[in-house]
Amino acid sequence: SQTIHQWPATLVQPVGSPLSLECTVEGTSNPNLYWYRQAAGRGLQLLFYSVGIGQISSEVPQNLSASRPQDRQFILSSKKLLLSDSGFYLCAWGGTSGAYEQYFGPGTRLTVT
Amino acid sequence: GENVEQHPSTLSVQEGDSAVIKCTYSDSASNYFPWYKQELGKRPQLIIDIRSNVGEKKDQRIAVTLNKTAKHFSLHITETQPEDSAVYFCAAVNSGTYKYIFGTGTRLKVLA
Repeated sequence: SQTIHQWPATLVQPVGSPLSLECTVEGTSNPNLYWYRQAAGRGLQLLFYSVGIGQISSEVPQNLSASRPQDRQFILSSKKLLLSDSGFYLCAWGGTSGAYEQYFGPGTRLTVT
Repeated sequence: GENVEQHPSTLSVQEGDSAVIKCTYSDSASNYFPWYKQELGKRPQLIIDIRSNVGEKKDQRIAVTLNKTAKHFSLHITETQPEDSAVYFCAAVNSGTYKYIFGTGTRLKVLA
C-alpha cells in the first residue's frame, strides 16, 4: 500500500531564515505530487504541483520554490521566510492515467517568528 | 480563472438531521469531484468522490450528486452524528492537468 511521509512535523523559524520541507511517497511510481498551504482556520492553497521529475508548476508567485529530485520526493524551499509563510504545509500524492484520487501527508506546522 | 465556490461556510445541525453542502465549479474540463473531511489539526481525508459520467454516488450515510450541465455538485450527510463535526472541502479536478481546485470549506457542527 502507499504511504506518504512529511518532515519535520513542526517547525519554528525566525523571519529571514531558510526553509526546507521534505515529502516522500512509498508504494507507487511516477505519482503526481502537490504542495498546499493552509493558514489557520482557512482553506487549502495550492502552491506547486508536479507530474514528473523536473516538472514543476507554480501556482503562487512568492518566495517559495519546489523541486522534485527523485520520482517520489518533493521538496519545498524558501531562501528567506516571511511572517506570512506561517501555516500548515501539506504534501499530497495522486495517481495518473485516469486515477484522480489524491491523498495527503500528515503535514508540517510552520510558525515563523 | 478556475474557481470552486462552496456554501455554506458554516453549518450547524441537530444530531440525526441531514446536512447538505453545495459547490459550483467553473472549469469545463473538470471531470472528477472529490470531497474531503478535515478534523481539527489533522490532514484532509478523502471521504467520497464522483466522476463526471455518474450523477449520484452513495456510501452509507454520505452521498454526492453531480449536475454537470449546471456545474453543481453537492454532499449529503444523513443521520448526522457528533463525529461528523469537521471542516469539509469539495474540489474539482481537471482531467488533463490533474490540477485540484478546492472550495473554501464548510465547518459542520453537529449538536448533540
